[in-house]
Amino acid sequence: DVKVTQSSRYLVKRTGEKVFLECVQDMDHENMFWYRQDPGLGLRLIYFSYDVKMKEKGDIPEGYSVSREKKERFSLILESASTNQTSMYLCASSFRSHHGQGFGSGTRLTVV
Amino acid sequence: GQSLEQPSEVTAVEGAIVQINCTYQTSGFYGLSWYQQHDGGAPTFLSYNALDGLEETGRFSSFLSRSDSYGYLLLQELQMKDSASYFCAVRVLNYGQNFVFGPGTRLSVLP
Repeated sequence: DVKVTQSSRYLVKRTGEKVFLECVQDMDHENMFWYRQDPGLGLRLIYFSYDVKMKEKGDIPEGYSVSREKKERFSLILESASTNQTSMYLCASSFRSHHGQGFGSGTRLTVV
Repeated sequence: GQSLEQPSEVTAVEGAIVQINCTYQTSGFYGLSWYQQHDGGAPTFLSYNALDGLEETGRFSSFLSRSDSYGYLLLQELQMKDSASYFCAVRVLNYGQNFVFGPGTRLSVLP
């Protein structure tokens, strides 16, 4: 089974802080993803990466950046946290579509 | 733009059969996935259809009609543990496994 580990389960940050969310996968997957999940909106893709040092914008990249320096690690950065970034953040990785994406347990971020 | 539609809620009783529909309008289409998510848990992968037709995996089956931009997840012999949210997701790019997710359907299984 894919193991995707997110560094924090719950996080509370202040408006304007720079926030780092870390994600590590142990399956040597090329593809990694960051989503945010809000009630009634499903999962919305923020950024994804299909190789080391490669990144592509998803549907809602504004206010976020990412870093992938090693294959197993994909970091999401909130440059200046705002209250509308309060959400559940989910990291995922995959090899091929028919294998599906494996998800981490999520980080519930609250910005106050 | 991209849009996926699913019913917001479905209720059924134990032992019954339920179908969760998904219609999509996306800029590209390379396949349809289904995920299950229990409250407080992470989404877990159920199925992926790239071609038209029905794929069966145990009690769960998934169907795709590309010409109708439509798919469904069929759950048979419902159990209480099937109470969860179910998301369809469309693969929209031919690289990078980029998926767009639907809003989710909350399934409640009653005794």
